[in-house]
Amino acid sequence: SQKIEQNSEALNIQEGKTATLTCNYTNYSPAYLQWYRQDPGRGPVFLLLIRENEKEKRKERLKVTFDTTLKQSLFHITASQPADSATYLCALPDTGRRALTFGSGTRLQVQP
Amino acid sequence: GAVVSQHPSWVICKSGTSVKIECRSLDFQATTMFWYRQFPKQSLMLMATSNEGSKATYEQGVEKDKFLINHASLTLSTLTVTSAHPEDSSFYICSANGDGRLAEQYFGPGTRLTVT
Repeated sequence: SQKIEQNSEALNIQEGKTATLTCNYTNYSPAYLQWYRQDPGRGPVFLLLIRENEKEKRKERLKVTFDTTLKQSLFHITASQPADSATYLCALPDTGRRALTFGSGTRLQVQP
Repeated sequence: GAVVSQHPSWVICKSGTSVKIECRSLDFQATTMFWYRQFPKQSLMLMATSNEGSKATYEQGVEKDKFLINHASLTLSTLTVTSAHPEDSSFYICSANGDGRLAEQYFGPGTRLTVT
């Protein structure tokens, strides 16, 4: 069955450093992969989508890579700020439909 | 653009009663909406796919008679938790994507349900 793995341990980094979060998946051949941010008690917010034929995508301080051979995506936040503290979710489309399957998320804590 | 609202944001109900949660797309038409449930410190789990004008598609293990979904218009889907029990207490979140947004989903702010 399809499986998505994200590091369940919280990632603590210092303000100004680059945060790198990992998403690994198995038994998938997704056409694209998405990253979302979720704050406590709130719904997820869409951040980036990267397609299978794209190696890298950037949006302001965010960068996502997608390695379909390794079945892995890396999510980077450069020049991190305390306001970036949140849980970041990786999501892939279910085969043949629009519904998404989410990873368990990685909580990022940026220390001032 | 692409704003999704939910109402109520939180609700407390007694065991055995029913609760209705509304999900609205405010600035776009959503032919498909999704309902998720999230327990503390866990990820979102898809409950059902709501299609405008047709029956919802439920995920395995989700009781369709307990979680009634109605998608009567292109901007509104409702989830009714019938005969709620304490184990139904959770964070319910809806999302939507319209015809022009095949991949991205836009989520509502969620509804915290507590059944006493």
